Amino acid sequence: GESVGLHLPTLSVQEGDNSIINCAYSNSASDYFIWYKQESGKGPQFIIDIRSNMDKRQGQRVTVLLNKTVKHLSLQIAATQPGDSAVYFCAENSGGADGLTFGKGTHLIIQP
Amino acid sequence: DTAVSQTPKYLVTQMGNDKSIKCEQNLGHDTMYWYKQDSKKFLKIMFSYNNKELIINETVPNRFSPKSPDKAHLNLHINSLELGDSAVYFCASSQANRGSPLHFGNGTRLTVT
Repeated sequence: GESVGLHLPTLSVQEGDNSIINCAYSNSASDYFIWYKQESGKGPQFIIDIRSNMDKRQGQRVTVLLNKTVKHLSLQIAATQPGDSAVYFCAENSGGADGLTFGKGTHLIIQP
Repeated sequence: DTAVSQTPKYLVTQMGNDKSIKCEQNLGHDTMYWYKQDSKKFLKIMFSYNNKELIINETVPNRFSPKSPDKAHLNLHINSLELGDSAVYFCASSQANRGSPLHFGNGTRLTVT
């Protein structure tokens, strides 16, 4: 069936390096994608979103890339900091109903 | 200035009991949701309400019932709790139109013993 998933369940990076978190989706009707960050004991927090008519969008230290040809979404975090440690989710909104379908999550670990 | 707040944060109860989780949003959003996050962190939508009308109902047992007294509140009632109901439940809200982000509360950790 249609699904949104992540390639890596855990990603470990050195502090100061760039992080790249990947996500694959299979629903070609998806037209809106979001990245969320979830810290321990908290709810998912919006990071950045992108619509299907774009292939790149930048925020503060974060960039989202969308490749519709291969149905791939990535989140790039520049100069990773200890506060970036969290679980990151990609999510999609497709079809007529509201709500988001979430991927499985990637745990980003920052090494000092 | 909490945008989406839910109570309680922790809920420990025995099998067979009935419990409720409350949610309120002060963002003026038209749509509210309940999500369930399992032990593997997987988030799955349970319900959404738009202007007091249920518009999504995934394959959730009818022991779960959302109740919305007004568009700023969406409470979750659970009857006859089972061990498998143990999870973290998140409330969220968004604008009614598609293509807008959801804003989440900080979750309610339900433990059924």
